[in-house]
Amino acid sequence: KQEVTQIPAALSVPEGENLVLNCSFTDSAIYNLQWFRQDPGKGLTSLLLIQSSQREQTSGRLNASLDKSSGRSTLYIAASQPGDSTTYLCAAGSGYSTLTFGKGTMLLVSP
Amino acid sequence: SAVISQKPSRDICQRGTSLTIQCQVDSQVTMMFWYRQQPGQSLTLIATANQGSEATYESGFVIDKFPISRPNLTFSTLTVSNMSPEDSSIYLCSVRLTTQETQYFGPGTRLLVL
Repeated sequence: KQEVTQIPAALSVPEGENLVLNCSFTDSAIYNLQWFRQDPGKGLTSLLLIQSSQREQTSGRLNASLDKSSGRSTLYIAASQPGDSTTYLCAAGSGYSTLTFGKGTMLLVSP
Repeated sequence: SAVISQKPSRDICQRGTSLTIQCQVDSQVTMMFWYRQQPGQSLTLIATANQGSEATYESGFVIDKFPISRPNLTFSTLTVSNMSPEDSSIYLCSVRLTTQETQYFGPGTRLLVL
């Protein structure tokens, strides 16, 4: 059974700082790895999707990497802004569209 | 992309009652899913809603407790039956488009059972 762990559970940084969120998964036979942000009352918003054959994906100030052999993914956020304050979720995609989620990292970026 | 709406957005219910949550998508999609997020926990897949046939439930979830309907390719309902306080959670609908791997999520229904 796939298990996904996210570290740290919470993080507080000053505006402008670069930061890394970590995600680990126990079963390396994944189909893809997705990062979401969860804003209260707005559901989940997809940030990046890395297919199992890829090593990384970039979107703006966000960069996600994937190392299947070690069961790890990282989300790098450059030049953080207060609008980045939210909960970030990592999800391992396995089989027929099944997603296994971590508990999330709550990020607070202070002006 | 897909735009998903859910009704109600939140509700407070008494134990022993049932609540039906609706999910509407702005385009026809092949795959629709229902997730639950209990307080402080990760999202857990309840079931895959299949159009025209019975939903496929994950381990630990049963049809009698969480009956699901999907009458067409843009609409689904999840009923939480005979509720107890342990059912207090956020319930989310999600879809996957045929041409994309990304899953899109609705805003969620926040349920509190007293």
